[in-house]
Amino acid sequence: EVQLVQSGAEVKKPGESLRISCKGSGYSFTIYWITWVRQMPGKGLEWMGRIDPSDSYTTYSPSFQGHVTISADKSISTAYLQWSSLKASDTAMYYCARLSFLSSSNWFDPWGQGTLVTVSS
Amino acid sequence: QSALTQPRSVSGSPGQSVTISCTGTSSDVGGYNYVSWYQQHPGKAPKLMIYDVTKRPSGVPDRFSGSKSGNTASLTISGLQAEDEADYYCCSYAGSYTSWIFGGGTKLTVL
Repeated sequence: EVQLVQSGAEVKKPGESLRISCKGSGYSFTIYWITWVRQMPGKGLEWMGRIDPSDSYTTYSPSFQGHVTISADKSISTAYLQWSSLKASDTAMYYCARLSFLSSSNWFDPWGQGTLVTVSS
Repeated sequence: QSALTQPRSVSGSPGQSVTISCTGTSSDVGGYNYVSWYQQHPGKAPKLMIYDVTKRPSGVPDRFSGSKSGNTASLTISGLQAEDEADYYCCSYAGSYTSWIFGGGTKLTVL
């Protein structure tokens, strides 16, 4: 079974750093990209960026460029999303998803279960 | 980039059909056949329902179908069932391997 398993919920203070993870299994991790999506409380989905685990090439939405860093360790089939200095406005659910852009076909599937990040003083 | 435009809510009775629209521009929806649709139940992760405008992943009922005309894509759900009540999001590739953009989401209520 193809699945992505994310790390657990986090509670942090403003200014702290954080790295959350997304581990893939059941498929060849380097063939597909991994994307991250934010969902603020009661709001819609926002595309943050993506990484190609085969070479760690990343691209970001202009809205998130410079605010987060996406990385991956292909040796353990894991992608990461990290912040160097959290803000209260980073409070949200964060999802990773496998991104296919192969053979002229594009989709996000499957999705991880989500990681809830709460930033509060 | 602004979010793709979806109606905030739609509703229908069991057995009826509903259509959810997703309007973008020639730089996203209109420019590529890479529109996908995701279903999200409360407290759950999104689930892929339609990809490449019209394709349905295995396991998704054929009651779900997708289409596109110009800068507007649509998701049609026929034979509505209670379990279809959820939020639905469209998503489009927007070029240069750099960006994807979601719609604002539509809440489907099965009356």
